[in-house]
Amino acid sequence: AQRVTQPEKLLSVFKGAPVELKCNYSYSGSPELFWYVQYSRQRLQLLLRHISRESIKGFTADLNKGETSFHLKKPFAQEEDSAMYYCALTGGAGSYQLTFGKGTKLSVIP
Amino acid sequence: DAGVTQSPTHLIKTRGQQVTLRCSPISGHKSVSWYQQVLGQGPQFIFQYYEKEERGRGNFPDRFSARQFPNYSSELNVNALLLGDSALYLCASSLGTVNSPLHFGNGTRLTVT
Repeated sequence: AQRVTQPEKLLSVFKGAPVELKCNYSYSGSPELFWYVQYSRQRLQLLLRHISRESIKGFTADLNKGETSFHLKKPFAQEEDSAMYYCALTGGAGSYQLTFGKGTKLSVIP
Repeated sequence: DAGVTQSPTHLIKTRGQQVTLRCSPISGHKSVSWYQQVLGQGPQFIFQYYEKEERGRGNFPDRFSARQFPNYSSELNVNALLLGDSALYLCASSLGTVNSPLHFGNGTRLTVT
């Protein structure tokens, strides 16, 4: 069975400090990993995906198959980064059955 | 960009009743998926439809059903409502091709009393 674990429910950091949101997964195969974000009063939206290998809003995430992790990182947190972040995976090959973690609420303190 | 639209935004039902939730995908998107999000949890996959065919089903009882219409809009039906069905129901659409991202709606908040 596929599972996504986000160990922190809440993460508070000061503005300008580095951010790391942890995500570990369990999947017997080659999954696709995603980070979704939900800002206050907005809909859930895709932040980034591992196959794109891109940086969005200063965030990056590297898939570590050895550690089965996909941690989200940003070197300098901004107040506008405060949001709910969800890590998710699919079985790849066009599957759209996303399995989400429980989410981590990031609070950036001014 | 109108985005994915869901109706109604809020709904209150009594145990045992039936409910129908509606979703209109982004124009051009042929795939619609439904997710249930209970408070404090991440969204949980219920169904995926593509070109009016069911492509996937999550671990939900048969009380949950869905369909997709020729215009690609979709309905999610839940029969014999239980208190535990109280949740935010999210609809997401995509082109349905490999690697096309999901676009979520704002959801329908269902409360069962």
